[in-house]
Amino acid sequence: GNSVTQMEGPVTLSEEAFLTINCTYTATGYPSLFWYVQYPGEGLQLLLKATKADDKGSNKGFEATYRKETTSFHLEKGSVQVSDSAVYFCALRMGSGGYNKLIFGAGTRLAVHP
Amino acid sequence: DTEVTQTPKHLVMGMTNKKSLKCEQHMGHRAMYWYKQKAKKPPELMFVYSYEKLSINESVPSRFSPECPNSSLLNLHLHALQPEDSALYLCASSHANPGHQRGNQPQHFGDGTRLSIL
Repeated sequence: GNSVTQMEGPVTLSEEAFLTINCTYTATGYPSLFWYVQYPGEGLQLLLKATKADDKGSNKGFEATYRKETTSFHLEKGSVQVSDSAVYFCALRMGSGGYNKLIFGAGTRLAVHP
Repeated sequence: DTEVTQTPKHLVMGMTNKKSLKCEQHMGHRAMYWYKQKAKKPPELMFVYSYEKLSINESVPSRFSPECPNSSLLNLHLHALQPEDSALYLCASSHANPGHQRGNQPQHFGDGTRLSIL
């Protein structure tokens, strides 16, 4: 079946450190891939997306590349800030008919300290 | 600011109460979704509406009753809930045609209603 596996957290970093959050997926066909971020007390916000192999999604200094050969979509940021502290969800989209169905990973909590 | 608006933000209710959660979007999306999120867990899909018709019910208990009165509104009617139903309830919307380029557009989420069952 379709699934998403993320590295377990929490991930604790100092400000300006390099961030990697690993995400791998299992899917039939060619899914679209997403990273969502959830700040405390809020809903999910789209961070970035990629719709086909070798696409690179980027936003707010975060990047992820859709790697079909390794079925991965790892999230990276070169220099994290305290304001990046949140929970990050990797997700894949399987669509049919008239809607999208998202399959989420378990989420990775990031804590950035000054 | 989120483009999907959910009300109320917080709701406390007894197990015998009847209440409703509301969700509204004005992005022209024709697919709308209800998710349940427990603490430290990812969202779990409950229902999907496509063109105002129920497309998916993920085996949700009948004490949760969704309604999509028009293309901008989505309701979740609650009755006789259990303490384990306490959670964050998230609404989302998206374009509804995967065959079109816009079908790769992501789901947009509201900030949720935090529900507590006494």
